[in-house]
Amino acid sequence: GENVEQHPSTLSVQEGDSAVIKCTYSDSASNYFPWYKQELGKGPQLIIDIRSNVGEKKDQRIAVTLNKTAKHFSLHITETQPEDSAVYFCAERAGYALNFGKGTSLLVTP
Amino acid sequence: EAQVTQNPRYLITVTGKKLTVTCSQNMNHEYMSWYRQDPGLGLRQIYYSMNVEVTDKGDVPEGYKVSRKEKRNFPLILESPSPNQTSLYFCASTPTGGANNEQFFGPGTRLTVL
Repeated sequence: GENVEQHPSTLSVQEGDSAVIKCTYSDSASNYFPWYKQELGKGPQLIIDIRSNVGEKKDQRIAVTLNKTAKHFSLHITETQPEDSAVYFCAERAGYALNFGKGTSLLVTP
Repeated sequence: EAQVTQNPRYLITVTGKKLTVTCSQNMNHEYMSWYRQDPGLGLRQIYYSMNVEVTDKGDVPEGYKVSRKEKRNFPLILESPSPNQTSLYFCASTPTGGANNEQFFGPGTRLTVL
C-alpha cells in the first residue's frame, strides 16, 4: 500500500556522524514498526523494530522512536561507519501484511 | 542453516513464456509472501499465504499466481510474463500471525522479460 512515507530518499553522512531517517504512516490501528537494512545484492534484513506500546528502543548504535499521536517513527544511527552504507526501509503492519516505505539510500563516507 | 532460498537467482525470458520462481524455507514458518522491488517504489507485496492452502492478494497481484500446497514452499507463477514484470523479486517468511514478527527474506530473483 502507499500508507508509509519515508524521507529522505538519499542521505550522505561522514563517518562518525549521526544519520536520521523518518517515516510517517496514516493507519491509526498500526501497531508494529520494523526497520530493514538491505545491502547490495541481498534481501532486506530486520535491524530493529518497535511496537505501539513503546516510545523508544535502542540496540547499540541504532535506535527507533515512535510518536503514535503524530503517526511518525524514526531510525537513528549514531557513530556511523562505512558498513552502515545500505538501503533502509521502514514498514508498518497493516492487517496481515507489512507496508514498506520507498527506502533511503544511506552512504557513509570515510 | 535457517534460510529462505529462491530459484533461479537470475532469469531472462521473453513475453508470454510461462515461468515459475520457487521459494522454500526450512524454518517451519506459517506465513510466506512475495514482494517485488522496483527503483523508487520500494517493496510491494504481490501475494501472501497465512498457511497451507491459504493465500491472498497483496497490493500488486495482477499477472501473478501462487500456490501453497506444502508449508515450506511458496512458488510464484507468471502465466504470461510481460515486460512490466521485469523486476527484483523477494520471497519472505515469518513464523506465525502475519506481519507482527520478523520477516526473513530470500536472496532475491532478478527477472528480465524481453
